[in-house]
Amino acid sequence: SQKIEQNSEALNIQEGKTATLTCNYTNYSPAYLQWYRQDPGRGPVFLLLIRENEKEKRKERLKVTFDTTLKQSLFHITASQPADSATYLCALVRGYALNFGKGTSLLVTP
Amino acid sequence: DVKVTQSSRYLVKRTGEKVFLECVQDMDHENMFWYRQDPGLGLRLIYFSYDVKMKEKGDIPEGYSVSREKKERFSLILESASTNQTSMYLCATRTEGQLYGYTFGSGTRLTVV
Repeated sequence: SQKIEQNSEALNIQEGKTATLTCNYTNYSPAYLQWYRQDPGRGPVFLLLIRENEKEKRKERLKVTFDTTLKQSLFHITASQPADSATYLCALVRGYALNFGKGTSLLVTP
Repeated sequence: DVKVTQSSRYLVKRTGEKVFLECVQDMDHENMFWYRQDPGLGLRLIYFSYDVKMKEKGDIPEGYSVSREKKERFSLILESASTNQTSMYLCATRTEGQLYGYTFGSGTRLTVV
């Protein structure tokens, strides 16, 4: 069956460091992968989309890599700030809809 | 920016009641989706619609139905609410073409007592 796996354990890092979150998938052949941010009690917010032929994509302090051989995406936040604390979800398309991973909670402490 | 509005942020209903959750988008998007989100289970797709009056079941449609009479509005209906339908319900929309992210509403926290 299709699976999307993200670290269930929260990631705690110090302000200013780089946070790296992992998304692994099985039984997908995705043309692209998406990352979302979700704050408590709110809907997810779209951050980035990376296509299968793109190894890396950047947006401000965010960087996403996509390795279709390893079936893995890495999501980096450089110079992290307490305001980056949230849950981050990766998502893959399945037909018309998206399947989401369960997310990794990131806590950035001052 | 696309705006997706869900009619209620918090809702408390009694077991057996028929419940309507409304979602309205303002950008003429073809595709609309209903998810529920539960701790430890993540986001699960209930139903989606790719056009007016068109609907498709997602992964967990049992106990739910949907209605899309107008392009901008997608309603989720709990035919007879049960306590296991207590959850956060999220509506999302996406324009045609898959190279765009979803836009989500703020969610409705439904409690069935």
